[in-house]
Amino acid sequence: AIRMTQSPSSLSASTGDRVTITCRASQGISSYLAWYQQKPGKAPKLLIYAASTLQSGVPSRFSGSGSGTDFTLTISCLQSEDFATYYCQQYYSYPITFGQGTRLEIK
Amino acid sequence: QVQLVQSGSELKKPGASVKVSCKASGYTFTSYAMNWVRQAPGQGLEWMGWINTNTGNPTYAQGFTGRFVFSLDTSVSTAYLQISSLKAEDTAVYYCARGYVDSYGHHDAFDIWGQGTMVTVSS
Repeated sequence: AIRMTQSPSSLSASTGDRVTITCRASQGISSYLAWYQQKPGKAPKLLIYAASTLQSGVPSRFSGSGSGTDFTLTISCLQSEDFATYYCQQYYSYPITFGQGTRLEIK
Repeated sequence: QVQLVQSGSELKKPGASVKVSCKASGYTFTSYAMNWVRQAPGQGLEWMGWINTNTGNPTYAQGFTGRFVFSLDTSVSTAYLQISSLKAEDTAVYYCARGYVDSYGHHDAFDIWGQGTMVTVSS
């Protein structure tokens, strides 16, 4: 199975900050990578797919980049509603796997 | 609008069975695959597998064979997850999630998720 490793596991930031979360795949996955946001008690929400394509309705302050094994999710100007847990996911091969999550907290 | 609505929380005793439903609306049910994802309390997301909504053919991830069964009722646009011989470690939120799979078997990201069903296994 392809292992997805996110860093950091947790992150404290303030409203207005720019933050970057990294996801590394244990082997190349081309651009078959998605990012999800999950708030407590809620289902995950798709933010970005194909590594850098913004899902419809997602604010443009979210962006993704990378290909192969190294990927990043950037939030350019944190808003209060962005404090949540973020997961990367590879859908290049079976089994589909997720990163362990990055918890973004208010500083 | 496009949505997946899951059945409500379940409290079961060890050894019992549970069947979780996931009703789709707002799109053609058979045009997208249905995935199942588990999230244990305080833990991350774990893909359980998927079912082809055209053929009914399920694919199970390792660790989800034997006691886990994916099924469909296309007449009511509903997917089901049945878990038998429940154990305490099955306690989790179970999500259904829509994803496109092309004719080559290539998956896409999961764009629509159900709200989740909490299954608690306790004596």
